[in-house]
Amino acid sequence: DGGITQSPKYLFRKEGQNVTLSCEQNLNHDAMYWYRQDPGQGLRLIYYSQIVNDFQKGDIAEGYSVSREKKESFPLTVTSAQKNPTAFYLCASSIQGSGYTFGSGTRLTVV
Amino acid sequence: GNSVTQMEGPVTLSEEAFLTINCTYTATGYPSLFWYVQYPGEGLQLLLKATKADDKGSNKGFEATYRKETTSFHLEKGSVQVSDSAVYFCALSPNDYKLSFGAGTTVTVRA
Repeated sequence: DGGITQSPKYLFRKEGQNVTLSCEQNLNHDAMYWYRQDPGQGLRLIYYSQIVNDFQKGDIAEGYSVSREKKESFPLTVTSAQKNPTAFYLCASSIQGSGYTFGSGTRLTVV
Repeated sequence: GNSVTQMEGPVTLSEEAFLTINCTYTATGYPSLFWYVQYPGEGLQLLLKATKADDKGSNKGFEATYRKETTSFHLEKGSVQVSDSAVYFCALSPNDYKLSFGAGTTVTVRA
């Protein structure tokens, strides 16, 4: 079955560390997205990519980086510059005008 | 720009009650409209969608009608169950890749 896979489900980061969240899709979707969700809040767009080797900043890109070397993969790195990284991170993919397919999310906690 | 406004929650209902979540939008042209549902600790799932005026999306007993004259896409269910407890997001896509999400409405159904 086609789908989108995020890993790990839970991730713990020490202060000052970079961590990378994985997102893989086998839906042959062109576009991929990263969102951040904080308790009781909606979704905020971090980065998105419409084609391989190209990506754009969303509303809250500071402290994050991405790459899109393959159509199937869109990893997100949370850098030490992100001052408040504890959140639920959601990856999604889409084809034009059809809405998104979401992964099951990664919960990142700073310890 | 494109934006979505949802009724604020939280909403608490008894089982078998009628549920309505209001959603209005601002967009140019003829966007596609969506409702997503998020169960605790999970990613978002597409609940239903409508791509043109007067379309009715439906799924799992939920319905929403695309009303261009009132720029609305209200979600309704005639008889809710405890398993419908979740966060519901209204969203629009102006036929490019990006979705604009509402802030989400938390629904709790009591037995």
